[in-house]
Amino acid sequence: DAMVIQNPRYQVTQFGKPVTLSCSQTLNHNVMYWYQQKSSQAPKLLFHYYDKDFNNEADTPDNFQSRRPNTSFCFLDIRSPGLGDAAMYLCATSRQGTYNEQFFGPGTRLTVL
Amino acid sequence: AQSVTQPDIHITVSEGASLELRCNYSYGATPYLFWYVQSPGQGLQLLLKYFSGDTLVQGIKGFEAEFKRSQSSFNLRKPSVHWSDAAEYFCAGYNTGFQKLVFGTGTRLLVSP
Repeated sequence: DAMVIQNPRYQVTQFGKPVTLSCSQTLNHNVMYWYQQKSSQAPKLLFHYYDKDFNNEADTPDNFQSRRPNTSFCFLDIRSPGLGDAAMYLCATSRQGTYNEQFFGPGTRLTVL
Repeated sequence: AQSVTQPDIHITVSEGASLELRCNYSYGATPYLFWYVQSPGQGLQLLLKYFSGDTLVQGIKGFEAEFKRSQSSFNLRKPSVHWSDAAEYFCAGYNTGFQKLVFGTGTRLLVSP
């Protein structure tokens, strides 16, 4: 089945130690998104790619970076995680021109010690 | 500004009873609206969507939603709730100006025996 895959599902890191979260998709969608979701809150968009065009949300901290080496893969890099970055990180994809119907992965739960 | 509001933070329904989750939107033109469900520790799953046409939309898992322009609402309904429906439900709209999803704050559904 076509899907959005996130690895790992659970990630534990130390305060200040860089971490990379991975997302891959077999839907061949040209748009990919990264969201941060804290407990009992709605997902918050961090950034998204239209093909290779990177679009950063204005309030996304500089500590968060992203890479999209090809259509299928997208990475979220947190350069110096703080305690406040502990959250669920969701990857989603959509096909441009489909009114933003997004397909979500299962998420990566990040714990910062 | 375009926005989506879910007025109920928590709702408790008895198993077998009917369910209605409220969603109100504020959009200038025809909105593109979605309902997502999120089980604990999981990603978001699309239940249904409204783009245009028939205002009563059928989704997966026995859910439906009705778009009412006069009330600016897109409420989610299910005639008989099952214990497995306990989850967080998010209403979302597509902001054509910013080209991204705008989420409501979510409604947590609890199902009592």
